[in-house]
Amino acid sequence: NAGVTQTPKFRILKIGQSMTLQCAQDMNHNYMYWYRQDPGMGLKLIYYSVGAGITDKGEVPNGYNVSRSTTEDFPLRLELAAPSQTSVYFCASSLAPYEQYFGPGTRLTVT
Amino acid sequence: GDSVTQMEGPVTLSEEAFLTINCTYTATGYPSLFWYVQYPGEGLQLLLKATKADDKGSNKGFEATYRKETTSFHLEKGSVQVSDSAVYFCALTSGAGNMLTFGGGTRLMVKP
Repeated sequence: NAGVTQTPKFRILKIGQSMTLQCAQDMNHNYMYWYRQDPGMGLKLIYYSVGAGITDKGEVPNGYNVSRSTTEDFPLRLELAAPSQTSVYFCASSLAPYEQYFGPGTRLTVT
Repeated sequence: GDSVTQMEGPVTLSEEAFLTINCTYTATGYPSLFWYVQYPGEGLQLLLKATKADDKGSNKGFEATYRKETTSFHLEKGSVQVSDSAVYFCALTSGAGNMLTFGGGTRLMVKP
């Protein structure tokens, strides 16, 4: 039972490049989430999903897209990367309405 | 909207000292309350939770009581260890999406 896994662990992007952050969970959780954590700050919700085929915006969705084609996977897409997207990205899942379980994070730098 | 306010850190304590990290919240309805801990270089781990007023969450010697009258969920531990050094986040869930609203985090440093 791996829990929530994220790939890659680290990535450096140039301004304007695109990439997809991968997230998978094997706990059969229906809810999944993407957060970003800026240095010294709390986490802010980017997007979330309450089930396959259903996604919705969180607090800071601009510059990101998501899809949820299966229960297990919830990739986050960055189009036209900007320095403001330099952050640590955390994926989480939950069997609503219970607590969320977090992945180890992806550290992204945009230069 | 919902919000969580934590005391600012860093909090520096000597080993075996008593710990309190204050957390207050603003929310509509009846949120569930959580404390998460983040060790250096790692993701967040659930430390404890409380789902209704007067509930006490506890784990690994840490405790917090859901106080609806003061809208607070303060984290306490009677005797901290060096291994407790981490960042602690207070959070609440609300809404149909079970979304977490986090406080800004409090860094705890415990010295031997």
